[in-house]
Amino acid sequence: DAEITQSPRHKITETGRQVTLACHQTWNHNNMFWYRQDLGHGLRLIHYSYGVQDTNKGEVSDGYSVSRSNTEDLPLTLESAASSQTSVYFCASSESLFLPGGVSGELFFGEGSRLTVL
Amino acid sequence: AQSVTQLGSHVSVSEGALVLLRCNYSSSVPPYLFWYVQYPNQGLQLLLKYTSAATLVKGINGFEAEFKKSETSFHLTKPSAHMSDAAEYFCAVGFSGNTGKLIFGQGTTLQVKP
Repeated sequence: DAEITQSPRHKITETGRQVTLACHQTWNHNNMFWYRQDLGHGLRLIHYSYGVQDTNKGEVSDGYSVSRSNTEDLPLTLESAASSQTSVYFCASSESLFLPGGVSGELFFGEGSRLTVL
Repeated sequence: AQSVTQLGSHVSVSEGALVLLRCNYSSSVPPYLFWYVQYPNQGLQLLLKYTSAATLVKGINGFEAEFKKSETSFHLTKPSAHMSDAAEYFCAVGFSGNTGKLIFGQGTTLQVKP
């Protein structure tokens, strides 16, 4: 079965260190997204990609970067981790656009990566 | 600006009682609407979605939601709560031209009491 996997599932790091969270999907989806989940804020979009070599900033992109060198992977990098980046990070993918006539654009989520920055 | 508001961060019901989780959106264009459920330490799973077909949408686990354009609402209901329904629920909205992105509400934690 197709799936989307994230690694590591749990990570503790120190302020100032570089951290990379991996996301790998076997759905062959063009669209991939990174969200962070924080209490009281729901899910907020960090970065997203509509295909290879395409990346875009979301609403909370400061301090994060992504790259898309193939269809399957969208790693998220924290260049210099800060305590404010302690969060649970979710990767998601979707196959389609929101088109008239009901194409859904449903997101498929990974199980999350819990990051603690000390 | 487009947004989603979930009324009530915590909802508590007794087992067997009606579940009602509220979601309102703001948009100047027809939306695509979703409800997702998140069980502890897991990712989000799709419960149901509205994509401009029938306004009453049935999902998994006995949940359903009704799109009401005049009220800009997409409330989630279930006639009889089960203990296994305890989870966090997220309403999300997408829009044509906003390719693939979803805007999520803040989430509602559903507690089911025996």
